[in-house]
Amino acid sequence: AQSVTQPDIHITVSEGASLELRCNYSYGATPYLFWYVQSPGQGLQLLLKYFSGDTLVQGIKGFEAEFKRSQSSFNLRKPSVHWSDAAEYFCAVALYNNNDMRFGAGTRLTVKP
Amino acid sequence: DGGITQSPKYLFRKEGQNVTLSCEQNLNHDAMYWYRQDPGQGLRLIYYSQIVNDFQKGDIAEGYSVSREKKESFPLTVTSAQKNPTAFYLCASIGAEGGYTFGSGTRLTVV
Repeated sequence: AQSVTQPDIHITVSEGASLELRCNYSYGATPYLFWYVQSPGQGLQLLLKYFSGDTLVQGIKGFEAEFKRSQSSFNLRKPSVHWSDAAEYFCAVALYNNNDMRFGAGTRLTVKP
Repeated sequence: DGGITQSPKYLFRKEGQNVTLSCEQNLNHDAMYWYRQDPGQGLRLIYYSQIVNDFQKGDIAEGYSVSREKKESFPLTVTSAQKNPTAFYLCASIGAEGGYTFGSGTRLTVV
């Protein structure tokens, strides 16, 4: 069955530390891959996306993600976390028509001063 | 600025009552979506529409209905048949560049 897994429900990091949020998917083919961020009580904002080509993609707010086909992963990274990055992060995957987009359960990020 | 407007931000429903959530976009996107968000469950697709006057059920369509009479508008009605409607509802659209644009959501509570 098609699925998206974010293994970490909640992560706490210190401000200025590096961050990596994990995402694994199970699909029959390589899907389109996305990361979204959600602040409390708000909608989701697209951070970055991967369709094809260079497996390291740059997004907004200093985030990047790396697609690893062999591991079926699309992990999100940031070299130095800011307090404003505290939010919930969702990984999502979709096949060709985007009407089958599946979201992970989310990872809540807390940033310590 | 182009975007998606959802209203109201908060909505309260009595038992047995139908309520309608509004979703309007000025992005000229063809495809629009409704998702339900519950804590710890991510987003689940309720309905989607790829073109005016056409829509398809998603994974959890029971107890919900939609219409798509205009390209800009995709309202969602939560009917009395939906037994557990308390949730955060998100509307989204998608353009040619890929990736969803989301509205700011409606929080529905049963009172």
